Amino acid sequence: AQSVTQLGSHVSVSEGALVLLRCNYSSSVPPYLFWYVQYPNQGLQLLLKYTSAATLVKGINGFEAEFKKSETSFHLTKPSAHMSDAAEYFCAVSGANTGFQKLVFGTGTRLLVSP
Amino acid sequence: EAQVTQNPRYLITVTGKKLTVTCSQNMNHEYMSWYRQDPGLGLRQIYYSMNVEVTDKGDVPEGYKVSRKEKRNFPLILESPSPNQTSLYFCASSLSGQGARGTDTQYFGPGTRLTVL
Repeated sequence: AQSVTQLGSHVSVSEGALVLLRCNYSSSVPPYLFWYVQYPNQGLQLLLKYTSAATLVKGINGFEAEFKKSETSFHLTKPSAHMSDAAEYFCAVSGANTGFQKLVFGTGTRLLVSP
Repeated sequence: EAQVTQNPRYLITVTGKKLTVTCSQNMNHEYMSWYRQDPGLGLRQIYYSMNVEVTDKGDVPEGYKVSRKEKRNFPLILESPSPNQTSLYFCASSLSGQGARGTDTQYFGPGTRLTVL
């Protein structure tokens, strides 16, 4: 079985500051890990995914995440926040053998960006 | 334009009145899925379909039905809606369900906000 824990339901940063959104996972099989972003009144959009290749994954809009097996973490970072990054972010996990079939989402972290 | 469409976008109904939320994709995707999103709970999978006539339960299937008679459509049916099914519903599709490798990604529809009184 898989699960993810997102630490912090809300994260506030200033424009230009580092963005760090935390995600820890639990998986009984090699995991696939995903970060999705949801802008207000829209569906989810895939930011990036880890599928057992490189542990540092680069995504869209300047985001990246590092898979750390020893820490069971997949934290999302961006060096410099923009106002347009304000959204809700979801971490998700599935088994490498199940892909999108059994995708388990975290509870989400709302990113607030102040001028 | 590649997209997943859902209808209706907003629906207010009463307990027990059967309803259907439609989902359609124009990308020839094999895999489709339904999720519900509730505050503090994230997204939870209701049902998914690996291909035409192949469907399976997700984590919260109770009170819902689905069908996959055509590749592009995956309707969600609530035979007798109850207030605890008030939620935001998302349909999603991807090329394949079994692998998320390479460039395969999951596309989400814009959501259907359902209120059951």
